[in-house]
Amino acid sequence: SQQGEEDPQALSIQEGENATMNCSYKTSINNLQWYRQNSGRGLVHLILIRSNEREKHSGRLRVTLDTSKKSSSLLITASRAADTASYFCASSMYSGGGADGLTFGKGTHLIIQP
Amino acid sequence: DAGITQSPRHKVTETGTPVTLRCHQTENHRYMYWYRQDPGHGLRLIHYSYGVKDTDKGEVSDGYSVSRSKTEDFLLTLESATSSQTSVYFCAISESVVGGTGELFFGEGSRLTVL
Repeated sequence: SQQGEEDPQALSIQEGENATMNCSYKTSINNLQWYRQNSGRGLVHLILIRSNEREKHSGRLRVTLDTSKKSSSLLITASRAADTASYFCASSMYSGGGADGLTFGKGTHLIIQP
Repeated sequence: DAGITQSPRHKVTETGTPVTLRCHQTENHRYMYWYRQDPGHGLRLIHYSYGVKDTDKGEVSDGYSVSRSKTEDFLLTLESATSSQTSVYFCAISESVVGGTGELFFGEGSRLTVL
């Protein structure tokens, strides 16, 4: 079963507005990551937030993590047409020292209207 | 961009035939992964490798096998392809972080159609 679930499944906003996407997960995590996927392309890493962090910024991106609610949010400020893509959250559960992969949600499809 | 290439990028095959997808990296990363992406399911982990000849199963490993004879190459084999294996397959590489998986670098994907 999917560890992460994004909400909403699709989001359409005007250029210049802010976009917020949410992610919920089910079990304890080591870290949570967000990825972007343009149509027909591979996923691109955006940001990683560790379980002991509450907020992280990268350019126009802001990620929050609430481990008590098992949820995260991705905020894209001042959106641009080029931000049109699908966005996925992915969680890394604690492992015994190895990197046994990420569990991905189903994604939010973001459309920025010019 | 991370040096990771997948081949073939597109393949059409018939039910019952064997198929091998190749992932090649030039980053010398220890960990390599195969995911499949299907509408309504997101990405699901098939198999992963944590070193040469060291592999383990993921969430949806039935019907798939993998091999890693060199650090740079990770092969995914469908011994007898079925229509349910029609999908886009992504290879990814990473290094670990303390206690978990770090940033994944993805290839461009291999679109497989099984008729």
